[in-house]
Amino acid sequence: GESVGLHLPTLSVQEGDNSIINCAYSNSASDYFIWYKQESGKGPQFIIDIRSNMDKRQGQRVTVLLNKTVKHLSLQIAATQPGDSAVYFCAEKSTGTASKLTFGTGTRLQVTL
Amino acid sequence: DGGITQSPKYLFRKEGQNVTLSCEQNLNHDAMYWYRQDPGQGLRLIYYSQIVNDFQKGDIAEGYSVSREKKESFPLTVTSAQKNPTAFYLCASSRTGMDNSPLHFGNGTRLTVT
Repeated sequence: GESVGLHLPTLSVQEGDNSIINCAYSNSASDYFIWYKQESGKGPQFIIDIRSNMDKRQGQRVTVLLNKTVKHLSLQIAATQPGDSAVYFCAEKSTGTASKLTFGTGTRLQVTL
Repeated sequence: DGGITQSPKYLFRKEGQNVTLSCEQNLNHDAMYWYRQDPGQGLRLIYYSQIVNDFQKGDIAEGYSVSREKKESFPLTVTSAQKNPTAFYLCASSRTGMDNSPLHFGNGTRLTVT
């Protein structure tokens, strides 16, 4: 498969535990945030998004938390499964900045049995 | 199935040759994008198009060219002027280019230039 990020920070969790992946952003004008999951050899897959008028949003087994004060975003995965092993990217965008999503460098999640 | 198709998955070229990467979408999205991904780095925007017959440079457009003659198609040409063309190229689309809608990605083309 593709070597997506040979030197990425890595989070190792046991199957069944909860995972928390963090992302810091720098642009205080950013008001839309997305989390993507990328498996080896594939393109990024949309997981969940959140707008800046919210501080929490839940999906199926995932929760995104947004702290605008410290410009921090996190993705929580409940009951982590082997299929969750992948590289996770956060992305941010500012209203009025057409088409300009800015991506973080990614975090590799490894799920151990 | 609706989605984005990139072809080929792997592409090999000799230095000095131009090469065109294909991207087709059947999601009826107005906006399309090309990103480049290198190990240890996030995705970097090469070009984007919000509507047919219009496109704009992204952050790293030098050495690349695009066209948007049809809504469904947004091919990327990697020219011999691109100094480090070996990379993983990702095409994406979104409903529009202006609102806050997520990008949907294809599965990429790995280009190796020797």
